[in-house]
Amino acid sequence: QKEVEQDPGPLSVPEGAIVSLNCTYSNSAFQYFMWYRQYSRKGPELLMYTYSSGNKEDGRFTAQVDKSSKYISLFIRDSQPSDSATYLCAMKNSGNTPLVFGKGTRLSVIA
Amino acid sequence: DVKVTQSSRYLVKRTGEKVFLECVQDMDHENMFWYRQDPGLGLRLIYFSYDVKMKEKGDIPEGYSVSREKKERFSLILESASTNQTSMYLCATEGQSSYNEQFFGPGTRLTVL
Repeated sequence: QKEVEQDPGPLSVPEGAIVSLNCTYSNSAFQYFMWYRQYSRKGPELLMYTYSSGNKEDGRFTAQVDKSSKYISLFIRDSQPSDSATYLCAMKNSGNTPLVFGKGTRLSVIA
Repeated sequence: DVKVTQSSRYLVKRTGEKVFLECVQDMDHENMFWYRQDPGLGLRLIYFSYDVKMKEKGDIPEGYSVSREKKERFSLILESASTNQTSMYLCATEGQSSYNEQFFGPGTRLTVL
């Protein structure tokens, strides 16, 4: 079983839809959870960051972490064509350890 | 603004050539990473470094080596390039704090013929 599982998609939604992206993981020691967004031909950029369990909201984006289920989610409200990108989940233990990435989900928002 | 630059955006090399990919950062970050990204396989960690002159193997180090002589510069070396090393190579940096955001460079698309 891979440490982090993420459905690669592709996912295609109409403009204005609510998008739900998810990852599951197996390592219960993970404490830091992140979502990166990667546009075509660019490097990934941090979108959302959450420490331990709970919700975090930033504009149209909400990140959720459920450590009991080892499940994290990213919700995008009122999706826009500019949200079309690959979304990668990432997580890590405390201390100086590398991030573990999911494979990424490719999202297309159609105008 | 963190700036992570990579020496080339596109590179074409022949099988057996020695290839150097350079990454330079201007944020005084201690940690630096090299990944490759392939369709269907995601980001895979090749090597990383938490200090000058220090290096650690990632998940797929075979066929690669690294050099970190200065804090701001982390080089990935393909000793003898092979066609299965055709990929997108991404460098990233990270400060040593509890909040470890990684900042990525723009990537180098390497093709080995």
